[in-house]
Amino acid sequence: KQEVTQIPAALSVPEGENLVLNCSFTDSAIYNLQWFRQDPGKGLTSLLLIQSSQREQTSGRLNASLDKSSGRSTLYIAASQPGDSATYLCAVKDSNYQLIWGAGTKLIIKP
Amino acid sequence: EPEVTQTPSHQVTQMGQEVILRCVPISNHLYFYWYRQILGQKVEFLVSFYNNEISEKSEIFDDQFSVERPDGSNFTLKIRSTKLEDSAMYFCASSDSASGPEAFFGQGTRLTVV
Repeated sequence: KQEVTQIPAALSVPEGENLVLNCSFTDSAIYNLQWFRQDPGKGLTSLLLIQSSQREQTSGRLNASLDKSSGRSTLYIAASQPGDSATYLCAVKDSNYQLIWGAGTKLIIKP
Repeated sequence: EPEVTQTPSHQVTQMGQEVILRCVPISNHLYFYWYRQILGQKVEFLVSFYNNEISEKSEIFDDQFSVERPDGSNFTLKIRSTKLEDSAMYFCASSDSASGPEAFFGQGTRLTVV
């Protein structure tokens, strides 16, 4: 059974720092991996999608990598801003086409 | 930009009542999904729907739940005889393929059962 773990559960850094969020999954048989952002009490915003055949994707200050063989993905945020404060969720699409979610990393960027 | 729309944004209902959560997926998408997130917990898959029938469902999706696409545009989740533990945020998503990204999520309906 696929399980997704995100470390750390919470992270607080000063504005301007680069940071890395981690996601690991137990079964490498995935179709893709997505990173989402969730603001308190709000919906889910897709940030980056990496297909199983890809190694990384970039969007602006965000870069996500995927190492399927080791069951790991990272989300790199460059030059963090207070507006980046949110919970970041990682989800993998498993062999049954279901999205399996991590518990998220709550990120706080201090001005 | 196309978007998935969910209504209502917040619904309060009494325990034992039936509720219907509504979603309007992206118009050319064929695969539809419901997820839920209990406060403070992980997002959980409930059900996927394709070609007017359920394609996959989780253990959570028992006889209390049902889905339908009544008119070709709306996609609904019905919860019969609601329980306190059904209180959660319910998200609808749509996709143009099974293995493709579910990049389009609605903003969610917060269901509170009292």
